[in-house]
Amino acid sequence: AQKVTQAQTEISVVEKEDVTLDCVYETRDTTYYLFWYKQPPSGELVFLIRRNSFDEQNEISGRYSWNFQKSTSSFNFTITASQVVDSAVYFCALRNVTGAGTASKLTFGTGTRLQVTL
Amino acid sequence: AAGVIQSPRHLIKEKRETATLKCYPIPRHDTVYWYQQGPGQDPQFLISFYEKMQSDKGSIPDRFSAQQFSDYHSELNMSSLELGDSALYFCASSLRRGGLGDTQYFGPGTRLTVL
Repeated sequence: AQKVTQAQTEISVVEKEDVTLDCVYETRDTTYYLFWYKQPPSGELVFLIRRNSFDEQNEISGRYSWNFQKSTSSFNFTITASQVVDSAVYFCALRNVTGAGTASKLTFGTGTRLQVTL
Repeated sequence: AAGVIQSPRHLIKEKRETATLKCYPIPRHDTVYWYQQGPGQDPQFLISFYEKMQSDKGSIPDRFSAQQFSDYHSELNMSSLELGDSALYFCASSLRRGGLGDTQYFGPGTRLTVL
């Protein structure tokens, strides 16, 4: 069974602070994919990043960076110099690899609500 | 770039009524997924279709059914609606590429309220 844990329910920071959102996952598969999605107050789910289990390179995209550590089954997300527009619920998700002809689901964590204030 | 289109965006129904939600995937995407997100909860997988065939099934009630049509759009049919069906329903689409890793892109969601 797959499981994603986001232990931080809510985080509140002041603008320009750095913040890290934690994600820990469980899976029996040796090959899998990890994702982060952002859900702003307007409600849509916005894709941020996908990481393959066989690629442990960290990634940086502007103010966003991701730290994937297979040894600790973690895929943490850091926002540097946070801004009010970063206020949203952030979901970490896991998907296993299947063969052609199937379309496997995403298993989401419970999400972390980030509030960035002035 | 074109995104996933869902209609309607908002829907209000009475208990025991039926509802049909529509999803138009990103052009050339061959796979559609449906998720249900209750208030304050994470999205829960309902069902998916690959090349118009049902592919994977999650916690979808028997009162719900779905299909993917020849133009790849999908419809989620919900009957005998209950108060607990009030939720945000997302459709996502992806391009399978023969089973390799794919990213699910989500539509804006349909907010269903059952009174």
